[in-house]
This record gives sequence, structure tokens and C-alpha cells, in this order.
Amino acid sequence: EVQLLESGGGLVQPGGSLRLSCAASGFTFKNYAMNWVRQAPGKGLEWVSGISGIGTATRYPDSVKGRFTVSRDNSRNTLYLQMDSLRAEDTATYFCAKDQGNWNYVFDFWGQGTLATVSA
Amino acid sequence: EIVLTQSPGTLSLSPGDRATLSCRTSQSLTSNSLAWYQHKPGQAPRLLIYGASSRAAGIPDRFSGSGSGTDFSLTISRLEPEDFAVYYCQQSGTSPYAFGQGTKLEIK
Repeated sequence: EVQLLESGGGLVQPGGSLRLSCAASGFTFKNYAMNWVRQAPGKGLEWVSGISGIGTATRYPDSVKGRFTVSRDNSRNTLYLQMDSLRAEDTATYFCAKDQGNWNYVFDFWGQGTLATVSA
Repeated sequence: EIVLTQSPGTLSLSPGDRATLSCRTSQSLTSNSLAWYQHKPGQAPRLLIYGASSRAAGIPDRFSGSGSGTDFSLTISRLEPEDFAVYYCQQSGTSPYAFGQGTKLEIK
């Protein structure tokens, strides 16, 4: 059974940093691209990063490019999202999502999310 | 950047009814790269449909997807109580991989 468990959310001041983690199990982690998707309170879903199976290629939308960094440790089956220069509009529940293949950007399994709140 | 517009914003129906949700994209999608997800509060989103019309593993056959180009739809043939949720479409062909704003399917 595929399981994805996010952690690392919390309250941080504007301009601060937060590092999210996603522990994966139930599948061969290194064989699949992984992604982060967020949902601001009362809003819809927004894709915020993707990383290839071996971790050599990453992609971001303009809204987070230069501030967020996605990485992975395939020896620990763990995905990370380093979030720097945080803004109030980054407040959201962050989900990790497994790619259906390698870079087809269809998300076939999701975690339950971790809440990051950016506020003074 | 491709923009996805879903309609209606809210759909009020009863169990046993047929539901049709619409998703329109601002540009034609390559390879019909359109997916549908179901999301309930406090839960992980669930993939229903990919490639516009292929059901994901374990999804009941009352869920079906159709469409091409810029116009897509998700149909639930006979609503079950557990189907009331928010539904999102998403394009998976071109970065950024955007979602629609969602359709809330509520019990009438």
C-alpha cells in the first residue's frame, strides 16, 4: 500500500524559512518523480514543485521559483521542500504527491498534507 | 500559461442523480493531458481520471471522463453518498501544471 506522510509544517514569520518532509513507503521510490501541491485556506490546488526520480531535474512555477527548493533522498525514501523568503500568501496545506510515472505530472497518490502558516 | 475554468462552481444534486462537471482550458491540450481529482476536507486528494478518459486504478465505473481539445467533462452516472466532495481538473501537459478552481458537489 502506497503511503505518503508529510511533516514539518508550522508557524513562521514573513521572510522566514521552513523545511517540509514527506516519508514514502509501499513503492520503489527512486523510480517515480515526486511533486508538492499546496492549497491555501478556502482556495483550490496549486502545483509548486516537481523532481525527477533520481533527483537531477526539478521544475517550479514562477510563484515560488528562486524561493523554494525541492530535493529527495532515495536512500531514505524521503522528499523535501525547502521554503525560504516566505510570504503570507504561502500559507497553505502542502501535499506531497507521487507521479504516475516519471514526469507525466499525473498525481496518483497523495499524502494528507501539512499546514504551513506565515504570519507575524 | 494554461488556465482551467470549471463549471458550475457548485452543483446541488441528490443520491442516484447523474452529475456532469465541465472543465474548459485556455489552450488546446496535447495528448488530451487532462486529469480529474476528488477531494474531501481533511483527506488526501484522489485521482479519478487521467488522459481525459482513462479511469485510475480502483475507481468505480460510474465515473467517466470525456472531451478533447479545450472542452472536457467528468460524469458520475449515479451519485452515491460518498461522491459528494470537491472535484478538480488539472492539465498535465505543460508547465505550470495548473488545476481548475474546483466544483463543489453538494447534497440537495
